[in-house]
Amino acid sequence: GENVEQHPSTLSVQEGDSAVIKCTYSDSASNYFPWYKQELGKGPQLIIDIRSNVGEKKDQRIAVTLNKTAKHFSLHITETQPEDSAVYFCAASSNNDMRFGAGTRLTVKP
Amino acid sequence: DTGVSQDPRHKITKRGQNVTFRCDPISEHNRLYWYRQTLGQGPEFLTYFQNEAQLEKSRLLSDRFSAERPKGSFSTLEIQRTEQGDSAMYLCAGALAVETQYFGPGTRLLVL
Repeated sequence: GENVEQHPSTLSVQEGDSAVIKCTYSDSASNYFPWYKQELGKGPQLIIDIRSNVGEKKDQRIAVTLNKTAKHFSLHITETQPEDSAVYFCAASSNNDMRFGAGTRLTVKP
Repeated sequence: DTGVSQDPRHKITKRGQNVTFRCDPISEHNRLYWYRQTLGQGPEFLTYFQNEAQLEKSRLLSDRFSAERPKGSFSTLEIQRTEQGDSAMYLCAGALAVETQYFGPGTRLLVL
């Protein structure tokens, strides 16, 4: 089955800096890669996703890149703000089987 | 707000008791997923429904766990004879399209 690894487990940046979170997956059949943001006491919230026929996708300050050959994908947050502080999860999905990474706790210091 | 609601939000129970959680997705969600999340980990897949049919169950779903979606709308997850290891956040997600899943707020279970 699919195995998703996520790094780093914790990330601390200064407000205004960029943050990058990286994930690798094992199943070459995976074709859908969402990213979720989870705040304390809440369920994961979808922030951006990418499908395997696309290499990069951007939505305002958030971008995701996918390298199918290397089986890795990354989340990039630019101009970070304190409200970006949360736990971020990557996931890889194949035929409705979605596997999550262990999460990255991002702290943005004002 | 994803439109997916879960009830209760918190549950404290004693070991050996049965508990039942409910998930209400939006009406268009023909797929419904249950996950378990422990501290410091990502959600782990438990089971999913396509309308009222339960199509897949994880090996994490022991015989003490049962899920239903009787009319293809809301779903329930029951845990019988709870154990301390069942303490976790139980998340429900609904899906319109094949892959995109929208999570509810979760039910946090504490087994004493």
